Amino acid sequence: AQSVSQHNHHVILSEAASLELGCNYSYGGTVNLFWYVQYPGQHLQLLLKYFSGDPLVKGIKGFEAEFIKSKFSFNLRKPSVQWSDTAEYFCAVIPSSGGYNKLIFGAGTRLAVHP
Amino acid sequence: EPEVTQTPSHQVTQMGQEVILRCVPISNHLYFYWYRQILGQKVEFLVSFYNNEISEKSEIFDDQFSVERPDGSNFTLKIRSTKLEDSAMYFCASRGGRKGELFFGEGSRLTVL
Repeated sequence: AQSVSQHNHHVILSEAASLELGCNYSYGGTVNLFWYVQYPGQHLQLLLKYFSGDPLVKGIKGFEAEFIKSKFSFNLRKPSVQWSDTAEYFCAVIPSSGGYNKLIFGAGTRLAVHP
Repeated sequence: EPEVTQTPSHQVTQMGQEVILRCVPISNHLYFYWYRQILGQKVEFLVSFYNNEISEKSEIFDDQFSVERPDGSNFTLKIRSTKLEDSAMYFCASRGGRKGELFFGEGSRLTVL
């Protein structure tokens, strides 16, 4: 069965620090990959997605992620975080073959950015 | 931009009561989902729905849960007899085609007392 692992459960950074959140998935076939963000008290919002093509994808708010197929990884990065990036970040994967496959989420990484 | 809408945003109920959470997916979408997130925990898949039937459900989605798309626009989740452990944020999502992202609603927070 497919699964998603996020290695960092809680990350604390100062403003302007660089961010990298790890995500690994297990699935034998082709997948679509996503990062969602959940700001405190709010719903899930899509940060970025990878379907095919350039493995380095850019999302909103200066975030990017790199798909490394050989490592089954899709790590999220941002060169310089801001206090407003404080949120929970979820990596998610869905097989790209079927129509009604479900999106599987990682456990999430809670990011706290201090001014 | 089209969006998934959910009602109510917050519902408080007594244990054993029936609850219906409503969702209006994006109008031309074909695949529908319910997820839940217990406070402080991960987002868990409950059920997916396509072509007017359940396509997959998780172990969480037991006989107390049911889904329906009664009128071609609404997509409802019913919990027949709520338990304390059903307290969570419930997210509805929809997807347009066989490939594509899921669009999530803002969630319905259910509190069971």
